[in-house]
Amino acid sequence: NAGVTQTPKFQVLKTGQSMTLQCAQDMNHNSMYWYRQDPGMGLRLIYYSASEGTTDKGEVPNGYNVSRLNKREFSLRLESAAPSQTSVYFCASSAETGLTEAFFGQGTRLTVV
Amino acid sequence: GENVEQHPSTLSVQEGDSAVIKCTYSDSASNYFPWYKQELGKGPQLIIDIRSNVGEKKDQRIAVTLNKTAKHFSLHITETQPEDSAVYFCAARASGTYKYIFGTGTRLKVLA
Repeated sequence: NAGVTQTPKFQVLKTGQSMTLQCAQDMNHNSMYWYRQDPGMGLRLIYYSASEGTTDKGEVPNGYNVSRLNKREFSLRLESAAPSQTSVYFCASSAETGLTEAFFGQGTRLTVV
Repeated sequence: GENVEQHPSTLSVQEGDSAVIKCTYSDSASNYFPWYKQELGKGPQLIIDIRSNVGEKKDQRIAVTLNKTAKHFSLHITETQPEDSAVYFCAARASGTYKYIFGTGTRLKVLA
């Protein structure tokens, strides 16, 4: 019973490098999210996907792109990493209908040097 | 835009005492309020939630209260234990939207 799985768990990038964070859920959820967590700032929404085939910007989308590959998978791409993108990234998913909780992955700790 | 304020940012209590964390939301359409606990190195996990048609909900040592008029909701932990030490986040969501708006978190330390 995996829930939400993120890869990788840790990553160090040099400024200007690109990378993709992967996320998959096995709960048949329609909605998926990417958050970043920074000290003192809580969880801020980067992008979300209400359902397969749709994506929307959240609070802090600049410098990121996303792809909802299928119902299970939602990836986050940094095209040209910057030190300001050093953060812990969390993927989450939730059922579309009704007011229910979001389930979170274990996080990816990204450092951009 | 939507906003959730959370206080305090840090809270230290003696084991056995109670802890209270408070949140205020701005979007009057919000009607779902989950609370998450995040342990070190892990993702947030739901501990309790409340919907707008309910004023209070309890689950063993944990309770949440909601005042829709004042747009306040609070987490109460009684008889705190060392394993309650973690970061706690409140959140709000409006039906018809897909976004959860989170507070900035409270680091709770339970002193043995």
